[in-house]
Amino acid sequence: GAGVSQSPSNKVTEKGKDVELRCDPISGHTALYWYRQSLGQGLEFLIYFQGNSAPDKSGLPSDRFSAERTGGSVSTLTIQRTQQEDSAVYLCASSVRPGLAGGPTDTQYFGPGTRLTVL
Amino acid sequence: KQEVTQIPAALSVPEGENLVLNCSFTDSAIYNLQWFRQDPGKGLTSLLLIQSSQREQTSGRLNASLDKSSGRSTLYIAASQPGDSATYLCAVTQETSGSRLTFGEGTQLTVNP
Repeated sequence: GAGVSQSPSNKVTEKGKDVELRCDPISGHTALYWYRQSLGQGLEFLIYFQGNSAPDKSGLPSDRFSAERTGGSVSTLTIQRTQQEDSAVYLCASSVRPGLAGGPTDTQYFGPGTRLTVL
Repeated sequence: KQEVTQIPAALSVPEGENLVLNCSFTDSAIYNLQWFRQDPGKGLTSLLLIQSSQREQTSGRLNASLDKSSGRSTLYIAASQPGDSATYLCAVTQETSGSRLTFGEGTQLTVNP
């Protein structure tokens, strides 16, 4: 079946503009994750959604970052007033189910990422 | 705070060699450890997932081991091929932070024909 898809694949924007990045998880996966991969920082967690529970936003680097997940499926990561340090590859992943009460999770499947460049 | 370290950062081997990639983590209270490969400009492909109660997992030419108490995992690749060239990442989920993955910096592997 189809894997995790992300759009756009590349996004170039000017400093100060807002951007929206989209993630379509694998059908039936209840858990969805956003990560960021940048030079010098490696891969870092941003946010994850588990079913209908409140998302874990503890990895978001600033209040300019927000994300939502509509209908338990598609997710949008929004970055307001972009800065040059926001330039990175934003990766989305999904898994069949999240860790229940903090328990073990299933394999996370990643999308191809969105490469964001802020000029 | 969990820290994941991968050694070596880069590795170049001739085709056909068996090789070992190392991953260590500072907090042994993990739920599972996952190995990924990443090709240039691409996303991550899951290779193996080892639950904390397991000692190893195998898939084809790949074998991953886990020693939770010592905070170590190894990824063994047998009879390496040029198509194995990629960056290999290990990541853990842990008891205190639920489902999020904490990643190492990766090992960049080049297999020369």
